[in-house]
Amino acid sequence: QSVLTQPPSASGTPGQGISISCSGSSSNIGTSSVNWYQQLPGTAPKLLIYSDHLRPSGVPDRFSGSRSGTSASLAISGLQSEDEADYYCAVWDDSLKWVFGGGTKVTVL
Amino acid sequence: QVKLVESGGGVVLPGTSLRLSCAASGFTFNTYALNWVRQAPGKGLDWVAVTSYDGTNIYYKDSVQGRFKISRDDSKNTLYLQMNRLRPDDTAVYYCVRSSGSYEDDAFDFWGQGTMVTVSS
Repeated sequence: QSVLTQPPSASGTPGQGISISCSGSSSNIGTSSVNWYQQLPGTAPKLLIYSDHLRPSGVPDRFSGSRSGTSASLAISGLQSEDEADYYCAVWDDSLKWVFGGGTKVTVL
Repeated sequence: QVKLVESGGGVVLPGTSLRLSCAASGFTFNTYALNWVRQAPGKGLDWVAVTSYDGTNIYYKDSVQGRFKISRDDSKNTLYLQMNRLRPDDTAVYYCVRSSGSYEDDAFDFWGQGTMVTVSS
């Protein structure tokens, strides 16, 4: 059981937009910024969004993040086949440890 | 470019020890916090430990506290994870991960390719 709760799966057709939620508590998302990671099949994870909504260099602006209260979300607009991957949220908890969501598998139909 | 190369994984018996290494290059090693994150087969990401840039702040996942030790050798640009009293549920790919800054609460911005640890009798 992960500290952060994500839906196990999400899907959409090419060009469509989808959103992935990440629910936490006052000891993590309620006080710290959220980061998102993308893991393509068979590869190491990659930083996708940091500090709730910032994109590292090279990440398309189709990816966006937000945080409100004890929840955060990752939105993907204009879904593409190469977006098929697992997506994880993570946040630094007040208990002095990193916590991850269980991951969301995105399928492009 | 930033490069993180893990080594030291393998198949070991429960209760034994293993030391993982992570050779880093392409950045000023002693100014960044570093982590170990693991992923059991078919499962999600699981943070294990972090050391701040100077080793003064070190934190562990509860289930490895007292069994694992993270350390860094800035003279060799190498991060280590000493794993003792290994259990079958420690079986995972272990990733060496750089933080984006000097401290434990900075995002993970670069990941190694991982080294597999299998604990089985």
